Amino acid sequence: DQQVKQNSPSLSVQEGRISILNCDYTNSMFDYFLWYKKYPAEGPTFLISISSIKDKNEDGRFTVFLNKSAKHLSLHIVPSQPGDSAVYFCAATDNYGQNFVFGPGTRLSVLP
Amino acid sequence: AAGVIQSPRHLIKEKRETATLKCYPIPRHDTVYWYQQGPGQDPQFLISFYEKMQSDKGSIPDRFSAQQFSDYHSELNMSSLELGDSALYFCASSLGRRDYEQYFGPGTRLTVT
Repeated sequence: DQQVKQNSPSLSVQEGRISILNCDYTNSMFDYFLWYKKYPAEGPTFLISISSIKDKNEDGRFTVFLNKSAKHLSLHIVPSQPGDSAVYFCAATDNYGQNFVFGPGTRLSVLP
Repeated sequence: AAGVIQSPRHLIKEKRETATLKCYPIPRHDTVYWYQQGPGQDPQFLISFYEKMQSDKGSIPDRFSAQQFSDYHSELNMSSLELGDSALYFCASSLGRRDYEQYFGPGTRLTVT
């Protein structure tokens, strides 16, 4: 059973608009969440993270929101740029980092 | 639904020994990816297979080899283990070489002493 879900396999957004990528998790022991960006034939690279004690974390054009009660997090990219086109993975881990789980990824295409 | 299975989940080896990690993809998935994640690092792409043929090659050391078998499971063989090989090794599978909808396994934690 998937503990981390990304229900949208792909998303297309116009350049300059907002991209919203969603992620849901089932394991209430997860308390640290990460977003990774991945290009073909490369490993995922860390983008932004959020601890369960926060509900928002912002880094430039990237903001991650966490709704712990709904077990839902989202990544907002504003404004979206063509260089943002990649696959985005959501990941979650517990306090001890022993259980590290990736979602299946969402492909974002930012159209010029 | 069945997920990606990796075995073993934990492995402890000594320097210069060999190790074999196994990955069983989701049924019907024909593509397998291997990643290595060192402590506090991003996962590094090692290698991938599509329909039992090597598809892409990343930063896989020459001491490592991998293959995908007729039942689509894959094995990562690691020889002359070094302390720096201690890491979490993830396998992921997908259908038709899609780099999204890439389902990760739980990982194998390899410790080299």
